[in-house]
Amino acid sequence: DAGVTQSPTHLIKTRGQQVTLRCSPKSGHDTVSWYQQALGQGPQFIFQYYEEEERQRGNFPDRFSGHQFPNYSSELNVNALLLGDSALYLCASSWRQTAVPMNTEAFFGQGTRLTVV
Amino acid sequence: SQELEQSPQSLIVQEGKNLTINCTSSKTLYGLYWYKQKYGEGLIFLMMLQKGGEEKSHEKITAKLDEKKQQSSLHITASQPSHAGIYLCGASRRSNMLTFGGGTRLMVKP
Repeated sequence: DAGVTQSPTHLIKTRGQQVTLRCSPKSGHDTVSWYQQALGQGPQFIFQYYEEEERQRGNFPDRFSGHQFPNYSSELNVNALLLGDSALYLCASSWRQTAVPMNTEAFFGQGTRLTVV
Repeated sequence: SQELEQSPQSLIVQEGKNLTINCTSSKTLYGLYWYKQKYGEGLIFLMMLQKGGEEKSHEKITAKLDEKKQQSSLHITASQPSHAGIYLCGASRRSNMLTFGGGTRLMVKP
């Protein structure tokens, strides 16, 4: 049973460019959340997708957008990259994340290390 | 997040020693998640606690959520070099997101 998989593992982009990160959730999971982790800090919530819709969003600008596909996989897009966007981007998957507050296990992928130069 | 404080921030212990990491919230916790992270890698799910007083164990790691649900502790018994890494607590409150603490960096000396 494959866990949460993310691609690519590493990426180097230039300021002003756009980037797309991809995530496949754990088998049986239908909810995908994205987090940004700066060096030496805990992850910060970007947004969450369920049933192909953005359900909740953290304190991130509109340059950060996402999508969820019918097979539950998800993409994170970042436009007009800034140096400060350099971070580890983590995808987490869970099952039927409709309950508030969260009450299901959430599993993370290995992350995508984005470096903006 | 200042809403979730972890202590200590870093810890060096001799192999075989016990240790405790604390996670304190300024608000009521509805769920508390513990993860382990190797440097620069993804988060490995350890445990999820939801009820006050709940205690869970996995191998040599035990986590507990206190009765008032504003603090959790993670205890490692007879630490090994394989326990080294960053331990993160994540809080679930009135939302579908996790708010994380800054992490505790653990080093185990052979």
